Amino acid sequence: EAQVTQNPRYLITVTGKKLTVTCSQNMNHEYMSWYRQDPGLGLRQIYYSMNVEVTDKGDVPEGYKVSRKEKRNFPLILESPSPNQTSLYFCASSYLRGHEQFFGPGTRLTVL
Amino acid sequence: AQSVTQPDIHITVSEGASLELRCNYSYGATPYLFWYVQSPGQGLQLLLKYFSGDTLVQGIKGFEAEFKRSQSSFNLRKPSVHWSDAAEYFCAVGARDDKIIFGKGTRLHILP
Repeated sequence: EAQVTQNPRYLITVTGKKLTVTCSQNMNHEYMSWYRQDPGLGLRQIYYSMNVEVTDKGDVPEGYKVSRKEKRNFPLILESPSPNQTSLYFCASSYLRGHEQFFGPGTRLTVL
Repeated sequence: AQSVTQPDIHITVSEGASLELRCNYSYGATPYLFWYVQSPGQGLQLLLKYFSGDTLVQGIKGFEAEFKRSQSSFNLRKPSVHWSDAAEYFCAVGARDDKIIFGKGTRLHILP
């Protein structure tokens, strides 16, 4: 089954404790992206990747890092999380940038 | 600047009634257009897409949308809604090799 998986689905952590949210897709998509969703603000892109070892900032990259060492995986790293990063995070992938995106189930992060 | 506007934050309709969700966009070129649905606790699922050709597009779950270039609109319609259609709906616009921009969403409520 074609899918995007994310782990964990829920995470509660404390300020400053490094964390990684994993994302994996099995569709051989070149383009992958991370979004955060906040009430009233919709979806905002954090980072994206056009292909292996090619990543770039989205609209709200501050406080986040990503890597793309393999085509299928695109982890999101918060090296020193802060409460304003409490949000719902989605990973997405698509064949090419601009085409329809397939979304993961989301990761709800709470930073205390 | 590229943008997507969903003028209605909330819409309430009775079960069995018809539905139209509005979407207007501002984009320099002929865009790719998408509608996604997000059920509570779920990721975003693609309902339908428009790339070119016939301006009336059929999607899953009985939804359709019509691209009107002169009005820069891509409204989503369904002739008869079901209680299971209660969700949040996102319009999005993109283009080849360009990022996808999402609207802020319209939450649909269904009255029994």
